[in-house]
Amino acid sequence: QKEVEQDPGPLSVPEGAIVSLNCTYSNSAFQYFMWYRQYSRKGPELLMYTYSSGNKEDGRFTAQVDKSSKYISLFIRDSQPSDSATYLCATTGRGSQGNLIFGKGTKLSVKP
Amino acid sequence: NAGVMQNPRHLVRRRGQEARLRCSPMKGHSHVYWYRQLPEEGLKFMVYLQKENIIDESGMPKERFSAEFPKEGPSILRIQQVVRGDSAAYFCASSPGQLNEQYFGPGTRLTVT
Repeated sequence: QKEVEQDPGPLSVPEGAIVSLNCTYSNSAFQYFMWYRQYSRKGPELLMYTYSSGNKEDGRFTAQVDKSSKYISLFIRDSQPSDSATYLCATTGRGSQGNLIFGKGTKLSVKP
Repeated sequence: NAGVMQNPRHLVRRRGQEARLRCSPMKGHSHVYWYRQLPEEGLKFMVYLQKENIIDESGMPKERFSAEFPKEGPSILRIQQVVRGDSAAYFCASSPGQLNEQYFGPGTRLTVT
């Protein structure tokens, strides 16, 4: 079983839609969760960082963590064509020295 | 505040040559991580360094690869005797602490011909 599973997509939505991106993880020692956005041939850009169960909101983005089911989500409201990118979930925790374990990424396309 | 800087952005090497990739962390960050991204693959951890110390190199191939983060200057990832399978994007990330958020640089795309 992979440590972090993420549906690779691709996911295509119309502009203005609500996007839901999801990951599952296997190790209950993981305590810190991140979402990154990566445009083609660019470096990952940190969107959200959280270390507790529940929701964290930042503008159009909401990160949700459910530690009981080992499930993390990123919601994008009022999606824009500029949101078209690959979204990576990542996690770390005690025992991993802080190095991140990534999902393979979900490729999102927002159509105008 | 400048972000994480990496150079060169693109590097072409022939098989058997050496590749040196440089990373300057964000100001105030003393933790550096190197990751590799192969085509159609996710990002994979390679090595974690603090100034003058390798903290975790569990993701680094045992041969041909080495990394350093000297007291002065950038962190360097060195690949000796490159092979075609080393062709990938190499990303550096920096962090203010071990379990804090990590900020990535633009990457170095290595092509081995």
